[in-house]
Amino acid sequence: EAAVTQSPRNKVAVTGGKVTLSCNQTNNHNNMYWYRQDTGHGLRLIHYSYGAGSTEKGDIPDGYKASRPSQENFSLILELATPSQTSVYFCASGDQGALSDYTFGSGTRLLVI
Amino acid sequence: QQKVQQSPESLSVPEGGMASLNCTSSDRNFQYFWWYRQHSGEGPKALMSIFSDGDKKEGRFTAHLNKASLHVSLHIRDSQPSDSALYFCAASDFCAGNKLTFGIGTRVLVRP
Repeated sequence: EAAVTQSPRNKVAVTGGKVTLSCNQTNNHNNMYWYRQDTGHGLRLIHYSYGAGSTEKGDIPDGYKASRPSQENFSLILELATPSQTSVYFCASGDQGALSDYTFGSGTRLLVI
Repeated sequence: QQKVQQSPESLSVPEGGMASLNCTSSDRNFQYFWWYRQHSGEGPKALMSIFSDGDKKEGRFTAHLNKASLHVSLHIRDSQPSDSALYFCAASDFCAGNKLTFGIGTRVLVRP
């Protein structure tokens, strides 16, 4: 069954440390996305990718980097984690074109202390 | 300012009742709309899409789009306890490809 798998499911990080969130999709979708979900803000787009080797800035990219080494894998990197980055992070994949929906992973809950 | 605004923030409906959710876009480029549903502890799942003016019905769910006012609604008929979830409206424009902008969500509670 096609799916989007995120790891880890939960992560506790220290302020100033480096955090890498991983995402793998078996949907053979070209596009992949990273969102964060916070109460009162809904889902906000951090970075996205149109294919292997490409990354684009979303609406709130500051403090985050992304890496798309292959069609299947898309990582979100926090080089210097801050408490304001405590959130639930969702990865999603989608087909090209404006008319296709996303498949989301189950999320990574990140706590930065 | 949120480009996709949802109302109400939350609503409670009796089992078997009708739940009505609203969504408005402030960006006239947004022409394509989706509804996503998120149960606690899970990722959002696409519920239905609507791209043309008028109604679209899928089972107990009916979406209505008015492109002139950029207003889309979702109506859940015969609500079930399993419909209790967070519902997101999402929108995109053709030029942005497949990049979706989400609202902040409406939390629906179906009372047994």
